[in-house]
Amino acid sequence: DGGITQSPKYLFRKEGQNVTLSCEQNLNHDAMYWYRQDPGQGLRLIYYSQIVNDFQKGDIAEGYSVSREKKESFPLTVTSAQKNPTAFYLCAVGSYNSPLHFGNGTRLTVT
Amino acid sequence: SQQGEEDPQALSIQEGENATMNCSYKTSINNLQWYRQNSGRGLVHLILIRSNEREKHSGRLRVTLDTSKKSSSLLITASRAADTASYFCATDAGGNNRLAFGKGNQVVVIP
Repeated sequence: DGGITQSPKYLFRKEGQNVTLSCEQNLNHDAMYWYRQDPGQGLRLIYYSQIVNDFQKGDIAEGYSVSREKKESFPLTVTSAQKNPTAFYLCAVGSYNSPLHFGNGTRLTVT
Repeated sequence: SQQGEEDPQALSIQEGENATMNCSYKTSINNLQWYRQNSGRGLVHLILIRSNEREKHSGRLRVTLDTSKKSSSLLITASRAADTASYFCATDAGGNNRLAFGKGNQVVVIP
């Protein structure tokens, strides 16, 4: 989706290092979401934010942190406390009772 | 929390045939959404059906919703090779897009 930019597409990190994934949108949606996808699995919600300077934990928030200082940006930090961080991370944006628009994801590999 | 559960998990069909996927869920919903994912990419929204609707069409796609059975189906008619993808159902209980995704249904359309 051209309105949502996730960077980088591939990311490699050593175990024990924090890493931040970027998500930027120009679709002017209030709500932004971070999902994690493991191979052959559905998406699981990590964090979401419905308004600037406010965010809520999803189902698997442990080991992750976020910030929402601007409407356009919702970065996700994968901390060293996340026990199994290797996954495909998807950012999405949306509005109440409307479908989500997804970015093209960041594939994180931690060795 | 995971809620949607697609059935069957994998489907292989010839081009021109119809493909049907089912999704079941456990709790009350505000709406149910179907998404498509090509390998290594983000999800693309297909259809959103609200809890007071029973059927929706979009091009070659037909979605039904039976709230009494807590189930939905996605029908792709006259399939094409380009329909090869994974298809996910997702339920929205509160209308705030805090979606619960199923594990996905991999469809392969053979030319």
